Amino acid sequence: AQSVTQLDSQVPVFEEAPVELRCNYSSSVSVYLFWYVQYPNQGLQLLLKYLSGSTLVKGINGFEAEFNKSQTSFHLRKPSVHISDTAEYFCAVSDYNQAGTALIFGKGTTLSVSS
Amino acid sequence: ETGVTQTPRHLVMGMTNKKSLKCEQHLGHNAMYWYKQSAKKPLELMFVYNFKEQTENNSVPSRFSPECPNSSHLFLHLHTLQPEDSALYLCASSHLTGELFFGEGSRLTVL
Repeated sequence: AQSVTQLDSQVPVFEEAPVELRCNYSSSVSVYLFWYVQYPNQGLQLLLKYLSGSTLVKGINGFEAEFNKSQTSFHLRKPSVHISDTAEYFCAVSDYNQAGTALIFGKGTTLSVSS
Repeated sequence: ETGVTQTPRHLVMGMTNKKSLKCEQHLGHNAMYWYKQSAKKPLELMFVYNFKEQTENNSVPSRFSPECPNSSHLFLHLHTLQPEDSALYLCASSHLTGELFFGEGSRLTVL
């Protein structure tokens, strides 16, 4: 079964600094990867996804992630963060490209942006 | 507007009460899910329904009873809950890509 490891539980950064949130997954023949963001008292919102094609994926709010098959990683990056990026970020993986197979989530990384 | 609507957003109940959480999706998806999110713990998958059929039950206690009358609606019936069941319950739906679309969640407090 797939598993996801988010290596940092908390990441504090200053506004306008770059940030990287790390995610590693257990190996599989084919894998689909996702990053979600959760703001306080809200559900999860999709930031970006990798299904196939280019290994560099761009998402909403200026975030991007790079799929690295050899290192089984899918790290999330943003070159310059804002206070409004403060939230919980979840990496998720799926084995199959079909409905009805639930995503497996990491434990989450809390990004705290201060001025 | 996420396309997935959960009601109620907040619920407080005693251990002897019976209540239900409701989820409705307007996205035309075929699969629906219940996840439990507790503080300091990872998201826990509870139930999966695909084309109204339950395809996964992750060893969830019987005091949680799901119901999926059609592909657009999903319920979670609650009875004789424990205080440790207090959590955010998230509903989600998906189509062929496996990408999940989440509702805002129902915050449950069991007294």
